[in-house]
Amino acid sequence: ILNVEQSPQSLHVQEGDSTNFTCSFPSSNFYALHWYRWETAKSPEALFVMTLNGDEKKKGRISATLNTKEGYSYLYIKGSQPEDSATYLCAFISGSARQLTFGSGTQLTVLP
Amino acid sequence: GAGVSQSPSNKVTEKGKDVELRCDPISGHTALYWYRQRLGQGLEFLIYFQGNSAPDKSGLPSDRFSAERTGESVSTLTIQRTQQEDSAVYLCASTELLAASYEQYFGPGTRLTVT
Repeated sequence: ILNVEQSPQSLHVQEGDSTNFTCSFPSSNFYALHWYRWETAKSPEALFVMTLNGDEKKKGRISATLNTKEGYSYLYIKGSQPEDSATYLCAFISGSARQLTFGSGTQLTVLP
Repeated sequence: GAGVSQSPSNKVTEKGKDVELRCDPISGHTALYWYRQRLGQGLEFLIYFQGNSAPDKSGLPSDRFSAERTGESVSTLTIQRTQQEDSAVYLCASTELLAASYEQYFGPGTRLTVT
């Protein structure tokens, strides 16, 4: 069983604050790391697909970094807005299985 | 184009009854996954279909759970003799393996409540 952990489990921030959360995963047999955003009553949607150590991806105010050697990825949100409120999931793909192991998610609430 | 669709969107059933959940993946996506999320928990992998290969059933929690896929199209997840602990949101996702990224395209889910 692969251990993929996310922290914190939940987070409340004020509109305009910047925030970040962590995904930790096994540092061996790495293939890819995904970040998804899951808004209430909607389907999870991919934010980033990360495959290389040192990868940095950015989409608008959201960015992510990847360290495969130590087994962690950070997701950053700059200037949080209420519409950023969602559960953010990371998923680890190992080189052998090609199945995704999801973390339990970080539930972000941005207060206006 | 059309995304992943699932039906029904909600299902309430009595303990002990069988249920069948359906997933229509994106056309051309060779891989299909089933997951579930029980209350307060993360996404739990159930089963993975890849083309004509034997499915990876390693995530199915018991022999009451089974899934079928017709070629590279529709999949059904069947839960026999449902139990209250089967209550969850069941998500289906498809992916284009040639893209090599395994990016998941999720359906809207089926919320199953076992009373």
